Amino acid sequence: DIQMTQSPSSLSASVGDRVTITCRASQSISSFLNWYQQRPGKAPKLLIYTASSLQSGVPSRFSGSGSGTDFTLTINSLQPEDFATYYCQQSYSTPRVTFGQGTRLEIK
Amino acid sequence: EVQLVESGGGLVQPGGSLRLSCAASGFNFSTYIMNWVRQAPGQGLEWVSYISRSSTTIHYADSVKGRFTISRDNAKNSLYLQMNSLRAEDTAIYYCARYGSGSLWNDYWGQGALVTVSS
Repeated sequence: DIQMTQSPSSLSASVGDRVTITCRASQSISSFLNWYQQRPGKAPKLLIYTASSLQSGVPSRFSGSGSGTDFTLTINSLQPEDFATYYCQQSYSTPRVTFGQGTRLEIK
Repeated sequence: EVQLVESGGGLVQPGGSLRLSCAASGFNFSTYIMNWVRQAPGQGLEWVSYISRSSTTIHYADSVKGRFTISRDNAKNSLYLQMNSLRAEDTAIYYCARYGSGSLWNDYWGQGALVTVSS
């Protein structure tokens, strides 16, 4: 299985900050990388697909980049509703997709 | 509006069985690939099973192979997960999720069904 490693595991930031979350794959996955947001007690929500494409309805302050093994999710000008846990997912080996362990974004 | 609603979760003893259902609405269910993803308490996301539009292609995670069975009824717009020989480590919230049309990502998720395996 392809292993996905996110860093950091947790992050504290303030409203208005810019934050970056990193995801690394154990082998090259081209651009087959997706990002999800999960608020407490809620289902995951798709934010970014194929590394850099913004899902419809997702605010433009979210962006993704990367290819091969290294990827980033950037959130500009953090809003209160952005404090959640973020997961990367590789879909290179669909249907056997794997997720990162998650990055918990907390309010400082 | 696309909706996925899971049901059938609950408390079951180790070795027992449970059947989860996922009722789909707001889209042409028969034209979408579906899968199940689970999340143990306080943990991350784990893919469980995958089923193609016409049920001709089915895959399972190694952790559930031989114990879980995925199925769908396109006439009833429903997805199922039959879980047998349940173990404590199967305790999780189980989400059904849709693959976007022609895509390799899950664009809609249900709210989840909690399965607790405990004596």
